[in-house]
Amino acid sequence: EAQVTQNPRYLITVTGKKLTVTCSQNMNHEYMSWYRQDPGLGLRQIYYSMNVEVTDKGDVPEGYKVSRKEKRNFPLILESPSPNQTSLYFCASRDSGLYNEQFFGPGTRLTVL
Amino acid sequence: GEDVEQSLFLSVREGDSSVINCTYTDSSSTYLYWYKQEPGAGLQLLTYIFSNMDMKQDQRLTVLLNKKDKHLSLRIADTQTGDSAIYFCAEAPANRDDKIIFGKGTRLHILP
Repeated sequence: EAQVTQNPRYLITVTGKKLTVTCSQNMNHEYMSWYRQDPGLGLRQIYYSMNVEVTDKGDVPEGYKVSRKEKRNFPLILESPSPNQTSLYFCASRDSGLYNEQFFGPGTRLTVL
Repeated sequence: GEDVEQSLFLSVREGDSSVINCTYTDSSSTYLYWYKQEPGAGLQLLTYIFSNMDMKQDQRLTVLLNKKDKHLSLRIADTQTGDSAIYFCAEAPANRDDKIIFGKGTRLHILP
């Protein structure tokens, strides 16, 4: 089954404790992105990657890191989480081309105390 | 600039038609999309329209595109409780193939 998976689905942590949210897709997509979703603000792109070893900042990259060592994986790293990073996070992937349907993971709800 | 605007809330009685509106700014977008997010889930593509079309119909869904006004709408006929979700309008500007721009989403609430 074609899908984007994220882990963990739920996470409660404390300020300053490094964490990683994993994302994996099995569709051989070139493009992968991370978004955060907050009430009233919709989806905001954090980082994106157009291919292996190619990453770039989205609209709200501060406090986040990513890596793309393999095509299928695109982990999101919070080196020192803060309460304002409490949010719902989505990983997404898509193929290149003009018609570019995004496939979203199920989301990771992160709470930083 | 890039912006996709849509109202945040819509309430509709079960059985009526729902119309969710969206305005976008980039006329270069080749495709325009509607995504649906059900409670506790990620977004899923609901339907899309190619920019040289005015209308697309798919069962209960009708998408209307007015390129002159940069206005996109999604009509759901015979709205049912299962249609309760957040609907996101999105555009993909032709000169920015790295980016899909989403609206903030319209929460559709179904009244009994």
